Amino acid sequence: SAVISQKPSRDICQRGTSLTIQCQVDSQVTMMFWYRQQPGQSLTLIATANQGSEATYESGFVIDKFPISRPNLTFSTLTVSNMSPEDSSIYLCSVVGLADFSYNEQFFGPGTRLTVL
Amino acid sequence: QKEVEQNSGPLSVPEGAIASLNCTYSDRGSQSFFWYRQYSGKSPELIMFIYSNGDKEDGRFTAQLNKASQYVSLLIRDSQPSDSATYLCAVLYNQGGKLIFGQGTELSVKP
Repeated sequence: SAVISQKPSRDICQRGTSLTIQCQVDSQVTMMFWYRQQPGQSLTLIATANQGSEATYESGFVIDKFPISRPNLTFSTLTVSNMSPEDSSIYLCSVVGLADFSYNEQFFGPGTRLTVL
Repeated sequence: QKEVEQNSGPLSVPEGAIASLNCTYSDRGSQSFFWYRQYSGKSPELIMFIYSNGDKEDGRFTAQLNKASQYVSLLIRDSQPSDSATYLCAVLYNQGGKLIFGQGTELSVKP
């Protein structure tokens, strides 16, 4: 499976500010996703990061709040904008490998633990 | 509303026993099913996936799928304390890669 890294691993931010999270993969992948895991909760898909085009957002998530970029097949960023304490979560990227045509096995990065004060 | 349901637990089993984790899903069109393990403070790691009715074995782990009953389970044989974690069931709803996760079952294996 691909080796996935995220930066930063954790951060503490003030409300009203923005944070950009990076996801880097050591090999080219077809699909990249961003998830949120709120304290004590399961994972919720925020959006699919599409290479060279706008991300596809899930219900309840909007581009103005969570702008996403994916300039190539190995890298994506998620920005959490105008943060509030409710945005305190772990943010995870996941990927599906190039050779995976059917089963869409997703592998997760180590996550970014965000605390908003 | 597509849903994936799991018993939240905690499920406690003695070391060496079989742990049985269950998951139901609402959409009959679902094709692939995944089990992830998540240790506290860590990201989910993929244990195995299943897409055909029946059993699929990988070491001490066996996934079982029954599409008619919309039910998928994970059996862990010879449970070890190192298996103590939260187990997440996930369902793939389309080939675009959208995974819907259950709320997870916390497993505790007592020495």
